[in-house]
Amino acid sequence: DAGVIQSPRHEVTEMGQEVTLRCKPISGHDYLFWYRQTMMRGLELLIYFNNNVPIDDSGMPEDRFSAKMPNASFSTLKIQPSEPRDSAVYFCASSLGGLAADTQYFGPGTRLTVL
Amino acid sequence: QKEVEQNSGPLSVPEGAIASLNCTYSDRGSQSFFWYRQYSGKSPELIMFIYSNGDKEDGRFTAQLNKASQYVSLLIRDSQPSDSATYLCAVILGNEKLTFGTGTRLTIIP
Repeated sequence: DAGVIQSPRHEVTEMGQEVTLRCKPISGHDYLFWYRQTMMRGLELLIYFNNNVPIDDSGMPEDRFSAKMPNASFSTLKIQPSEPRDSAVYFCASSLGGLAADTQYFGPGTRLTVL
Repeated sequence: QKEVEQNSGPLSVPEGAIASLNCTYSDRGSQSFFWYRQYSGKSPELIMFIYSNGDKEDGRFTAQLNKASQYVSLLIRDSQPSDSATYLCAVILGNEKLTFGTGTRLTIIP
């Protein structure tokens, strides 16, 4: 298996622009997680899905962030409008089981820079 | 007080020695505890998880959980230069929120 695939790997955009990050989980994994990592705040869980349904989005920082999972093999995290403080590495991860039930496999991340 | 706390380091340990990493958490209702390793510029990788009080061993790694004192530690025996990385402690708190510490940077000195 190719592992969790994320695109783009790097994104540079200007404040106010819309940003869309993409993730393809490992085939057969029922759970998908979106994380954000910064030096100041560390790794934060933003939202996770089970069988394409959002289970917990309490980590989503504000209404500018939205995530969707239209099918079992694709998810997006959208930021609209983007702000410089959104600059971070965004990771997608997937697992067979839930938070405590199984190993999460992380993608390589998308490094987002908002100017 | 942060919900999950780690000393940011850097922690320097001679090759072959035991590296000891510590993590404290604030929620007594926490049930599940994880250690992730993250190499610079790479994604986190799960290396240990522990649910019950006591020790759990996997190869050179031992996780120790003490719920009464609210800490979880990771011991790395026979430290190798390849163990140099940032180690993230993660806890599922009583409210079922998965929360990470900010990580401890470990350097193994040859």
